[in-house]
Amino acid sequence: GESVGLHLPTLSVQEGDNSIINCAYSNSASDYFIWYKQESGKGPQFIIDIRSNMDKRQGQRVTVLLNKTVKHLSLQIAATQPGDSAVYFCAENRKDSSYKLIFGSGTRLLVRP
Amino acid sequence: ETGVTQTPRHLVMGMTNKKSLKCEQHLGHNAMYWYKQSAKKPLELMFVYSLEERVENNSVPSRFSPECPNSSHLFLHLHTLQPEDSALYLCASSQDTSRSEQYFGPGTRLTVT
Repeated sequence: GESVGLHLPTLSVQEGDNSIINCAYSNSASDYFIWYKQESGKGPQFIIDIRSNMDKRQGQRVTVLLNKTVKHLSLQIAATQPGDSAVYFCAENRKDSSYKLIFGSGTRLLVRP
Repeated sequence: ETGVTQTPRHLVMGMTNKKSLKCEQHLGHNAMYWYKQSAKKPLELMFVYSLEERVENNSVPSRFSPECPNSSHLFLHLHTLQPEDSALYLCASSQDTSRSEQYFGPGTRLTVT
């Protein structure tokens, strides 16, 4: 069936290293993708988005890469900090439903001091 | 703070109780959403309101009843819930139902006993 999924449930990185969180999607009709961060006790917070007419987008310390050929999305966090520890979700949005986000199951990022 | 508040933050209720969850957004947005976040499932969209009209009812059981009296407030009325309804219920808002960023509240942690 159609799904948005994550390759790894938990990722542990050393403080200062770069983090890469991956996500796979299966619906080629999806043309908009979003990464959310959820800290303990809080709701998801928007990080960065990308449309399917792009393959890369950069923000502050974060980069999202989109590979439409293999339906793969990744979030790169540069110089990971303790405050980056959270669960990260990718979400896809399909052309026929502008507000309906389909979320992945999430990856927990742990930053070691 | 995201500008979206939810009360209560925690709720324990019996299966025969009736309770309501409240969400308020201070962002001047026109769309509001209810999501369910369970421990082992991705975030699930439940209801969507646009300008106080319901535009999405995502096959949610009738024991969940939403209400949107104005564009700033959203309620979720609960009655005769089941233990499997225990979850984090998240409210979100966005400027409209186009592809605008959704801002999430901190959620209500619901436990049904």
